[in-house]
Amino acid sequence: EVQLVDSGGGLVQPGGSLRLSCAASGFTFSSHWMHWVRQAPGKGLVWVARLYDDGTRAFYADSVKGRFTISRDNAKNTLYLQMNSLRAEETAVYYCARGHRSGYYMDVWGKGTTVTVSS
Amino acid sequence: QSALTQPASVSGSPGQSITISCTGTSSDVGGYNYVSWYQQHPGRAPKLMIYDLNNRPSGVSNRFSGSKSGNTASLTISGLQAEDEADYYCNSFTDSYTYVFGTGTKVTVL
Repeated sequence: EVQLVDSGGGLVQPGGSLRLSCAASGFTFSSHWMHWVRQAPGKGLVWVARLYDDGTRAFYADSVKGRFTISRDNAKNTLYLQMNSLRAEETAVYYCARGHRSGYYMDVWGKGTTVTVSS
Repeated sequence: QSALTQPASVSGSPGQSITISCTGTSSDVGGYNYVSWYQQHPGRAPKLMIYDLNNRPSGVSNRFSGSKSGNTASLTISGLQAEDEADYYCNSFTDSYTYVFGTGTKVTVL
């Protein structure tokens, strides 16, 4: 079964850091771009970052550029999101999503992990 | 990277057809056919419903269809059913090699 399991969420103070993980199974992880998408409580989806299948190139939303880093370990079939200098407004459910091999869309999603930024 | 514009809500009776619009710019929706649509039920992860403007993944009902005119993409749900009640989001690839989601539309089945 194709599956993504997000983890690593929790409570962090403003200005703090957190690293999210996304464990992939059931498919060839190293052949797919991967994304992070977030959703604040009661709000819409917001695209956060994308990483090439080989990890060589990453793209970020302007709102997180310079503070968040997307990375992957293809040997461990795991995607990461390192989040630094977190702000209260970044409280959200963070989803990892698989990019389709031959298209510009996200075809498999994790269940999400909740990040709460609060003092 | 402003969000694509969608109507906040759309409603219809069972069996009717509804259309959700998604308006962007020539740097995203208008410039590419890489528009996708996602359905999200409360408390659940999003689900891909349409990709590359008008293609349905395996398992998605043919009641869902997509199209585009200029900078506006559209999702049409025909033969509306109770299970279609959910939030819907469009998404587009952009000139900056990033992605942008729409503001989201709540579909209500009357």
